[in-house]
Amino acid sequence: DSGVTQTPKHLITATGQRVTLRCSPRSGDLSVYWYQQSLDQGLQFLIQYYNGEERAKGNILERFSAQQFPDLHSELNLSSLELGDSALYFCASSVDRGVGGELFFGEGSRLTVL
Amino acid sequence: GQQVMQIPQYQHVQEGEDFTTYCNSSTTLSNIQWYKQRPGGHPVFLIQLVKSGEVKKQKRLTFQFGEAKKNSSLHITATQTTDVGTYFCAGYKRSGGGADGLTFGKGTHLIIQP
Repeated sequence: DSGVTQTPKHLITATGQRVTLRCSPRSGDLSVYWYQQSLDQGLQFLIQYYNGEERAKGNILERFSAQQFPDLHSELNLSSLELGDSALYFCASSVDRGVGGELFFGEGSRLTVL
Repeated sequence: GQQVMQIPQYQHVQEGEDFTTYCNSSTTLSNIQWYKQRPGGHPVFLIQLVKSGEVKKQKRLTFQFGEAKKNSSLHITATQTTDVGTYFCAGYKRSGGGADGLTFGKGTHLIIQP
């Protein structure tokens, strides 16, 4: 158990819909990262937050947004969903602000868009 | 942007054989990390390498960081069925304007035949 909690574990929805994925980092960790894992694309970095502020941005689509709340939990919002958005979405946390510390991954949220 | 290439994509070995996966970055890295993801699981941190030419060992696993800090390798001696999974390298590049985030390679899937 990494200490990172992600909900929901599975989500099935239709194209055009909007979903929210939630992540609670390990106790004491200030950084939260979101990654998308598709079959052939490996782990794609989406975005990182540190202590409530956006710290780094990767290949995150404009239809996607994220935020980190004062209690440090984070939400990833995916809108106008397309079939290609079906993937496993991982949240990870680390104690530092992104200087290369170990990432602790949650178990992921599997999104299926029909 | 930063790219991290990892080869091979798949590796089939007989139990007891050695295994090596290689990681190459298009840019000089501040550090490199290795993760293992078991089938159906989430990535789990194995190790971080920081210094040029660094070599670290964990039992049957040997990790190397290249002199130019642009490549790395993971070697497993005498593979066991418990080694099955996908091995990811992840490179961190610290840029002046802020973190680039941790960029993962696409991973090497290790398949072991008993």
